Amino acid sequence: SQKIEQNSEALNIQEGKTATLTCNYTNYSPAYLQWYRQDPGRGPVFLLLIRENEKEKRKERLKVTFDTTLKQSLFHITASQPADSATYLCALLEGGATNKLIFGTGTLLAVQP
Amino acid sequence: NAGVTQTPKFQVLKTGQSMTLQCAQDMNHEYMSWYRQDPGMGLRLIHYSVGAGITDQGEVPNGYNVSRSTTEDFPLRLLSAAPSQTSVYFCASSYSGAGGPYEQYFGPGTRLTVT
Repeated sequence: SQKIEQNSEALNIQEGKTATLTCNYTNYSPAYLQWYRQDPGRGPVFLLLIRENEKEKRKERLKVTFDTTLKQSLFHITASQPADSATYLCALLEGGATNKLIFGTGTLLAVQP
Repeated sequence: NAGVTQTPKFQVLKTGQSMTLQCAQDMNHEYMSWYRQDPGMGLRLIHYSVGAGITDQGEVPNGYNVSRSTTEDFPLRLLSAAPSQTSVYFCASSYSGAGGPYEQYFGPGTRLTVT
């Protein structure tokens, strides 16, 4: 069956370190992958999109990689801050013109001061 | 721009009652969708629409109806509420078509409890 897996355990790191979150998928061949941030009690907010022909994408302190051979995306936050504490969701686009997103369950990141 | 708005924020229903969750966007987005979010399950797509008059089912459509009479509005109807529909519901919208895909904008959510 089709699955998107994110580490369900919370990731705890110290302020200033690099946080790395993993998104693995099976039985998909997505052309695009997106990452969202969700704070408690709020809707997800878009962070980054990466295409299958892009190995890496950066935006300020954020970096996303996309390995279609390993079927994996890594999401990095460098110089992490307590304000980065949130749940991070990866989402695959099924393709076509429908913009249908399939989400992983998310990973909770806690950055300790 | 208000972005994506949802009403109500909270709702409690009794089993068997019906209600409509409202969603509106003022960004002239063609694509709109409804998700439900449950602990440990992530966001699951209920229904989506690629434009006024066009809707389709997502992953978990049973027990829900949608219609899209205008670009701005995409209401979600629960026909006969069941405890299994207790969840947080999110509406989202985005541009679609050439040059995409595009980021999706989410509303603040409606927390629904069915007793």
